[in-house]
Amino acid sequence: SQQGEEDPQALSIQEGENATMNCSYKTSINNLQWYRQNSGRGLVHLILIRSNEREKHSGRLRVTLDTSKKSSSLLITASRAADTASYFCATDSGTYSGGGADGLTFGKGTHLIIQP
Amino acid sequence: DAGITQSPRYKITETGRQVTLMCHQTWSHSYMFWYRQDLGHGLRLIYYSAAADITDKGEVPDGYVVSRSKTENFPLTLESATRSQTSVYFCASSVTQRGEAPLHFGNGTRLTVT
Repeated sequence: SQQGEEDPQALSIQEGENATMNCSYKTSINNLQWYRQNSGRGLVHLILIRSNEREKHSGRLRVTLDTSKKSSSLLITASRAADTASYFCATDSGTYSGGGADGLTFGKGTHLIIQP
Repeated sequence: DAGITQSPRYKITETGRQVTLMCHQTWSHSYMFWYRQDLGHGLRLIYYSAAADITDKGEVPDGYVVSRSKTENFPLTLESATRSQTSVYFCASSVTQRGEAPLHFGNGTRLTVT
């Protein structure tokens, strides 16, 4: 079942602009991760943010987490053509008490296009 | 370089045939996962494995069989392929099932069932 849901589904911006993608989820989480997928390739991990964290940075990436609103955002600053990809959030809401498919649940992704 | 290798990259098969997708990792990760990716559904977990000889169902296990006799290999078998199993299949590995560590993905197998 889908937990995280990304918004927008698609985003097209000019090179050099900032890109913001959002992820909303329904149940409490332990952790949230963001992944990038280039066309025809596997997903690549970008950032992991824990439920007790509010913001994390990695290079040009900034992730925020608002557990009261059950949402997260991924900001890519000074976008480049190479940032063209699909971006997925993945939530961990597992209880890990046994017998179930705990682990990461992925959203459907935001397709980001950077226009040169 | 450590990583995950999936084979084949592309596969076309007929309805009713058995197909096995291979996954090999060199990370020495305990956990391995199979996902399928379909338009409109995102990634959905098929099966996962915590260690050799330990496997468990994910969200969409019907029609699939897995085995894990060695830590580094996690093949996925479609016993009798159906058109609804046309998809892109991704294998992944991690040090944990919990979402407190990244998943490392292979580049996928695009399977078409005719």
